[in-house]
Amino acid sequence: GAGVSQSPSNKVTEKGKDVELRCDPISGHTALYWYRQSLGQGLEFLIYFQGNSAPDKSGLPSDRFSAERTGGSVSTLTIQRTQQEDSAVYLCASSPGGYEGYTFGSGTRLTVV
Amino acid sequence: GQQVMQIPQYQHVQEGEDFTTYCNSSTTLSNIQWYKQRPGGHPVFLIQLVKSGEVKKQKRLTFQFGEAKKNSSLHITATQTTDVGTYFCAPLGSRLTFGEGTQLTVNP
Repeated sequence: GAGVSQSPSNKVTEKGKDVELRCDPISGHTALYWYRQSLGQGLEFLIYFQGNSAPDKSGLPSDRFSAERTGGSVSTLTIQRTQQEDSAVYLCASSPGGYEGYTFGSGTRLTVV
Repeated sequence: GQQVMQIPQYQHVQEGEDFTTYCNSSTTLSNIQWYKQRPGGHPVFLIQLVKSGEVKKQKRLTFQFGEAKKNSSLHITATQTTDVGTYFCAPLGSRLTFGEGTQLTVNP
């Protein structure tokens, strides 16, 4: 596609439920990041995928968070047993790799009630 | 990831005034990227600096990479209301990490 697509754009869920967030990167982009941004805050690194290499999961805040990237394209971020502190905007970004700029999606705003 | 500190955290200017944000690291950076995030929007890539002492310009924006590659700056000449947003520096090392950003407001 022309840009990075994220879905859903908004998600309201009850505490304790699982949620799945989707990121469709630009075609051919091998590098993909997930970040989390709370209101008025910076970007918190969650996970990084680069080609067929093992992902860098060092930013995932707990074992309730997991992510996968199938076929080197679409990525899903799953949060199990959501908590109120998980409420934030989840941003996905992709790049051709190497020293290239990243294109961000519009994000998924997650609200846990 | 490589850690950077951005200053100031907030900057309020009158339209037409200049604005500068600084990005500092305690370690040598291989490169640095700059992004702009408008209120309610997502970060947008502005530029990447790679060489020591590099200076790049985009209209009223001037980006610099220090000689020691430990700091970088973004300078906006004669700010406009369209410049409002948060400016992030982001070194690209083993991963892309973001500074805390400088939030710019411009009073018309």
